[in-house]
Amino acid sequence: EADIYQTPRYLVIGTGKKITLECSQTMGHDKMYWYQQDPGMELHLIHYSYGVNSTEKGDLSSESTVSRIRTEHFPLTLESARPSHTSQYLCASSVFGLGTYEQYFGPGTRLTVT
Amino acid sequence: DQQVKQNSPSLSVQEGRISILNCDYTNSMFDYFLWYKKYPAEGPTFLISISSIKDKNEDGRFTVFLNKSAKHLSLHIVPSQPGDSAVYFCAASGGGADGLTFGKGTHLIIQP
Repeated sequence: EADIYQTPRYLVIGTGKKITLECSQTMGHDKMYWYQQDPGMELHLIHYSYGVNSTEKGDLSSESTVSRIRTEHFPLTLESARPSHTSQYLCASSVFGLGTYEQYFGPGTRLTVT
Repeated sequence: DQQVKQNSPSLSVQEGRISILNCDYTNSMFDYFLWYKKYPAEGPTFLISISSIKDKNEDGRFTVFLNKSAKHLSLHIVPSQPGDSAVYFCAASGGGADGLTFGKGTHLIIQP
């Protein structure tokens, strides 16, 4: 079954640690995204990718970085975690083409930085 | 400056009745609109979408209506079921944005 996966689901980590949030999809989608969501708020786009070796910053400024070495894999890294990074991080993917396509989301990673 | 607005943070509806969730937008360049459903501790699940060239799209119990002149869309759920209790997000595509632009969500509670 085609799907989109995120690990870990929950992460509690101390200030200053380096973390990588994993995202993989089996749908063969070219376009992938990272959104950040605080409780009761809208999702904000922080990174996206059109395909392998393509990474772009989204609408919301973020200190995180991303990479896209394989089509199915789009990890997000924070070099030095801070309490202000506490949030939910959602990965999504979609078909890339001339039209507009639905985005499909993973289950999210809830990050808490102490 | 929020471009997609869901002005009702929560909505309570009796089981079996119609649920109507509303969404307003300000960017006239948006060309595609989507509704997502989200349970706690899970990612959003795509429900239904509508292109700006249409005014209605139906899928089973879910119907989305688009009024372009009013920059307003609504999601109708008939009949409402207990499993429909969740947060519903309205989202828009286009308008110069690279991803989706989301509203803050409406928490729908279906009362037995």
